[in-house]
Amino acid sequence: EIVMTQSPATLSMSPGERATLSCRASQSISNSLAWYQQKPGQAPRLLIYGASTRATGIPARFSGSGSGTEFTLTISSLQSEDFAFYYCHHYNIWPPRAFGPGTKVDVK
Amino acid sequence: QVQLVQSGPEVKKPGASVKVSCKASGYTFTNYAIGWVRQAPGQGLEWMAWISAYNVHTQYAQNLQGRVTVTTDTSTSTAYMELRSLRSDDTAVYYCAREADGDYYFEYWGQGTLVTVSS
Repeated sequence: EIVMTQSPATLSMSPGERATLSCRASQSISNSLAWYQQKPGQAPRLLIYGASTRATGIPARFSGSGSGTEFTLTISSLQSEDFAFYYCHHYNIWPPRAFGPGTKVDVK
Repeated sequence: QVQLVQSGPEVKKPGASVKVSCKASGYTFTNYAIGWVRQAPGQGLEWMAWISAYNVHTQYAQNLQGRVTVTTDTSTSTAYMELRSLRSDDTAVYYCAREADGDYYFEYWGQGTLVTVSS
């Protein structure tokens, strides 16, 4: 079983600042890593897949990097609509997929 | 456009079973796998189960093995998730999600179904 961890649990930021979120896998998952954004009362939304490819319609201020066990989601300049929860997700077919515990990005 | 529409909220007693449906539209149902994810109140996302496009292969989270079954009905483009022997900690919003073409991340999500387990 692969265990995903995320840090920090909460990131308190101001609009316009750069946010850096980390995700770590307990063993190598190559680049089979996705990031999702979730706002209260809504389903998650796909942001990044393949560790670094933006999904359709996702603004360029969102970028992903990393491979193996260490991954990063960067939001270059936080907009008001970006304050939300962010989850990483390893999606190899085997071992079964798992989500990280999430990072909450809130307003400082 | 791709849509996944889930069944409505459920209230169940401990020990009962629940079956959540997920009706797909806007794409060829048999071409894409469906996954199930749940989220307990105030908690993160938990991957539960997966069923392949042609209903041939399934995969379940280790902690749910034996209690969960996922199926599809290709005639109605509907996926189902049944969870048995419900406990209070099964109270959660349950999501279905469609995987991407040729890959296993979730590209589209249903709106979620709240299942409440309470005596």
